[in-house]
Amino acid sequence: NAGVTQTPKFQVLKTGQSMTLQCAQDMNHNSMYWYRQDPGMGLRLIYYSASEGTTDKGEVPNGYNVSRLNKREFSLRLESAAPSQTSVYFCASSENNEQYFGPGTRLTVT
Amino acid sequence: GESVGLHLPTLSVQEGDNSIINCAYSNSASDYFIWYKQESGKGPQFIIDIRSNMDKRQGQRVTVLLNKTVKHLSLQIAATQPGDSAVYFCAENPRTYKYIFGTGTRLKVLA
Repeated sequence: NAGVTQTPKFQVLKTGQSMTLQCAQDMNHNSMYWYRQDPGMGLRLIYYSASEGTTDKGEVPNGYNVSRLNKREFSLRLESAAPSQTSVYFCASSENNEQYFGPGTRLTVT
Repeated sequence: GESVGLHLPTLSVQEGDNSIINCAYSNSASDYFIWYKQESGKGPQFIIDIRSNMDKRQGQRVTVLLNKTVKHLSLQIAATQPGDSAVYFCAENPRTYKYIFGTGTRLKVLA
């Protein structure tokens, strides 16, 4: 039981490049989330998926897209990376309120 | 906007002492609260939660207190150990899918 896994752990992009952050959970949770964490700020919700096939915008969705591929996987895509997207990205899943987080992806956009 | 905040950005305690980390929340509709621990380079880890129909909840070496009158939440860690050094932050759930997270308090345990 690995919980929530994320790949990659680190990534450096140049402005304008695209990439997809992968997330998977093996706890059979319905809800999955993508957050970003920046210094001096609390976790901010980018996108949310209540169940397979559904996604909703969170607090800071601009510049991102998501795909809930199946119950296990929820990916986050940056189509054209910008320096403002330099951050640590966390995926989470939940059932009955308690959220479980992945180890994070540290993304730097130069 | 409504937010969850913490009073102390850094807390230093002697090993073996008790630690108290505080959090203020502003959304009176929130009915569920969580404390997380985040070690350097890792994702947040669930510590303990409490629902709004409770004032106190105890776990192993940790206690969460909820004061709805003043919208205040605290985390007490008994007999603080070096392994407790981390950033702690609270989160509230105002009866939606959206959680509101605080910025965090860094706990430093002094040997």
